[in-house]
Amino acid sequence: GEDVEQSLFLSVREGDSSVINCTYTDSSSTYLYWYKQEPGAGLQLLTYIFSNMDMKQDQRLTVLLNKKDKHLSLRIADTQTGDSAIYFCAESTTASKLTFGTGTRLQVTL
Amino acid sequence: GAVVSQHPSWVICKSGTSVKIECRSLDFQATTMFWYRQFPKQSLMLMATSNEGSKATYEQGVEKDKFLINHASLTLSTLTVTSAHPEDSSFYICSALASGSTDTQYFGPGTRLTVL
Repeated sequence: GEDVEQSLFLSVREGDSSVINCTYTDSSSTYLYWYKQEPGAGLQLLTYIFSNMDMKQDQRLTVLLNKKDKHLSLRIADTQTGDSAIYFCAESTTASKLTFGTGTRLQVTL
Repeated sequence: GAVVSQHPSWVICKSGTSVKIECRSLDFQATTMFWYRQFPKQSLMLMATSNEGSKATYEQGVEKDKFLINHASLTLSTLTVTSAHPEDSSFYICSALASGSTDTQYFGPGTRLTVL
């Protein structure tokens, strides 16, 4: 079946850029997503990218997709303490069923 | 943006009782809703896909008689955990697809279930 992997933990200083990486195995993935989950809360959709795109930028967020290597990354510019959360990447095909990654806990230090 | 609510946000129950969790799309209609389960420090696992007016589709390994899903209207899906046991304690999250949309799921805030 599909597999989505992420590193478990990332620590950055406030004001620096954060880069969260994700790899997936399903070559038929149509959409790739980034979600943010704060403690005890549901998931907030941050951004998504179609599989035929290489990059998408939305304010402080930049998503890069390397379809050949099946690698997705999320860059957060000027990381703030409010960005501390767990970030999940997810992929889906046309069936709309999401397969989530293992989640990366982002810790922002002062 | 699209808002999905869940009720209750947390519930504690005794072993053997049944618990109903509601998922509502507040400002859009959702033909399809999804139910996920999340254990502490783990990812979300899809339990079932709920389609308005028809039976839910369960993922492999999920007991349909234990996790009853009803999607009676375009804005409401319910998950009932029947005869709950401590191992059912988890964080249950629903999501909704806007009718006519196939690319974005909007997630509810989750329901934390603790079975004593």
